[in-house]
Amino acid sequence: DTEVTQTPKHLVMGMTNKKSLKCEQHMGHRAMYWYKQKAKKPPELMFVYSYEKLSINESVPSRFSPECPNSSLLNLHLHALQPEDSALYLCASSRTGGYSSTDTQYFGPGTRLTVL
Amino acid sequence: EDKVVQSPLSLVVHEGDTVTLNCSYEVTNFRSLLWYKQEKKAPTFLFMLTSSGIEKKSGRLSSILDKKELSSILNITATQTGDSAIYLCAVEFNAGGTSYGKLTFGQGTILTVHP
Repeated sequence: DTEVTQTPKHLVMGMTNKKSLKCEQHMGHRAMYWYKQKAKKPPELMFVYSYEKLSINESVPSRFSPECPNSSLLNLHLHALQPEDSALYLCASSRTGGYSSTDTQYFGPGTRLTVL
Repeated sequence: EDKVVQSPLSLVVHEGDTVTLNCSYEVTNFRSLLWYKQEKKAPTFLFMLTSSGIEKKSGRLSSILDKKELSSILNITATQTGDSAIYLCAVEFNAGGTSYGKLTFGQGTILTVHP
């Protein structure tokens, strides 16, 4: 089973709202990732958690706040977003976080976020 | 700066045709190259190619890594309308420390297969 689940599938929020995106995997993977994908563009890495610790933050604005409560769950807390933050937010997981040369990232279905 | 470039950016073919998608990269420390297929939502994993696994095949899809030319091709034979998607190439670089697990994606090739 290579399933990564994400909720919600769609989210519409105002610029003053606070919301959260959720990602879950039960493959025993120890690395989890958040990507942002704009239309007709490739995914761009935002954050990497490896063994529940934040290991990469790609200079993401503080209005995006990741959280990894345990090895199966990854959240992305959103606050005071801008309309240009509207995008598809993808979660991925991999077995070891890249410490193995045969590690592969498996993606969830994404959350389509619209900021009004 | 690490770079991944795919070509062509878009391709329109008819069912039954064979297509070849290209991916080239400029890196300092290559670890692996991955191909993904993206339809409406999430990219789905196709192949991973590394120094110890430079050729992969699954059904009508196959991929080869050319480490000398710093490139890879993805071949799809006897294309079907269900092959219509964006094909993404991603390269993982070994920069040590916290750069492990970081993928850099190419811009993708949009493949459209007409009946």
